[in-house]
Amino acid sequence: RKEVEQDPGPFNVPEGATVAFNCTYSNSASQSFFWYRQDCRKEPKLLMSVYSSGNEDGRFTAQLNRASQYISLLIRDSKLSDSATYLCVVNIWNQGGKLIFGQGTELSVKP
Amino acid sequence: EAGVAQSPRYKIIEKRQSVAFWCNPISGHATLYWYQQILGQGPKLLIQFQNNGVVDDSQLPKDRFSAERLKGVDSTLKIQPAKLEDSAVYLCASSRGQGANDNSPLHFGNGTRLTVT
Repeated sequence: RKEVEQDPGPFNVPEGATVAFNCTYSNSASQSFFWYRQDCRKEPKLLMSVYSSGNEDGRFTAQLNRASQYISLLIRDSKLSDSATYLCVVNIWNQGGKLIFGQGTELSVKP
Repeated sequence: EAGVAQSPRYKIIEKRQSVAFWCNPISGHATLYWYQQILGQGPKLLIQFQNNGVVDDSQLPKDRFSAERLKGVDSTLKIQPAKLEDSAVYLCASSRGQGANDNSPLHFGNGTRLTVT
């Protein structure tokens, strides 16, 4: 089993739609979580950290479920500019703070 | 704040040749990472340094890959000899992180796109 697994994509949605991505992790020692965004042929960039109580940043909401070992990212009112690959990242503290990436979920927002 | 610098941006080599990549992290960042990203996949951690010590290199193919971070600042990643399956983008990242429970985000360089023919 992979340490971090994401919904396979691609997700093709119309502008204005709400879309959600899920990510599961296998190591219960994982302690911190992030969502990164990667545009085509560019480097990944931090979108948001994921806090235990859930957190929101504008149209983006991240949630963490430790019992089920998954995190989610919800994007409301999708924009064309949201088209990118979204990467789930898990920090495994008992492995020296090892940061493991999922394989990414591609989102394409159409007019 | 200057970002993570990597060079070269692109490299094309033949199989069995050697290649080296260079990374200069953000000033003051203790932790430096090298990731390999094959097309269509997420970045795969090759090696993680904290200052000039290795934290994790469990996924580094040590028969052909080597990395060093002299003086805890710049780092180089070398492949010798290269194979076709090494074709990928090699991403360097740094963070302030001083320990395992640090939540500092990663800052990535632009990456080096390697093509092995």
